[in-house]
Amino acid sequence: DTGVSQNPRHKITKRGQNVTFRCDPISEHNRLYWYRQTLGQGPEFLTYFQNEAQLEKSRLLSDRFSAERPKGSFSTLEIQRTEQGDSAMYLCASREGLAGGPNYNEQFFGPGTRLTVL
Amino acid sequence: SQKIEQNSEALNIQEGKTATLTCNYTNYSPAYLQWYRQDPGRGPVFLLLIRENEKEKRKERLKVTFDTTLKQSLFHITASQPADSATYLCALRGAGSYQLTFGKGTKLSVIP
Repeated sequence: DTGVSQNPRHKITKRGQNVTFRCDPISEHNRLYWYRQTLGQGPEFLTYFQNEAQLEKSRLLSDRFSAERPKGSFSTLEIQRTEQGDSAMYLCASREGLAGGPNYNEQFFGPGTRLTVL
Repeated sequence: SQKIEQNSEALNIQEGKTATLTCNYTNYSPAYLQWYRQDPGRGPVFLLLIRENEKEKRKERLKVTFDTTLKQSLFHITASQPADSATYLCALRGAGSYQLTFGKGTKLSVIP
């Protein structure tokens, strides 16, 4: 399968614990996005990477959230001191970086990691 | 403040009819607008993109229009089928930003 993969698919944690999610984008895609989605809402942008550089972060993103993409391939999203309000689906998406390509602006989403904070 | 509104939370239509979904936005100057389909428990899947200088785009049974004066996009599915039942999301990328902002989505149910 050459699509975007995310691990784990589900995570249940207790309030106050730290969690880390991983995203493996489509191999030739140099652009990577993280989103959060709650029930009945559309995905909410969290952050954007171009290669290993984090170029944009949501102003709404708490400092408990941090994301990395150290080698410009896979990315991790860490949430420290989780709160019940962090319960959501965390989605990763990637897209190709070659301007003018047929799928240039199309974002390919992974299946998501569903986080439940008890 | 910037807003994207998909006017209907849910839309029920009869199989074979044309479904029309609406996306309105305020305080954006979008470079382009996209439509995605999302099935329960899955990530969104890209359907169509329309740029600010385009009026209409088609793909098979799908058609998207974009009116930057009205600040509105319409998404049509002709000859709808039960398999088209899903949530449809519109998304905007504003000029000068990498961020894609999504509406809440419209849940479409096609009744056999």
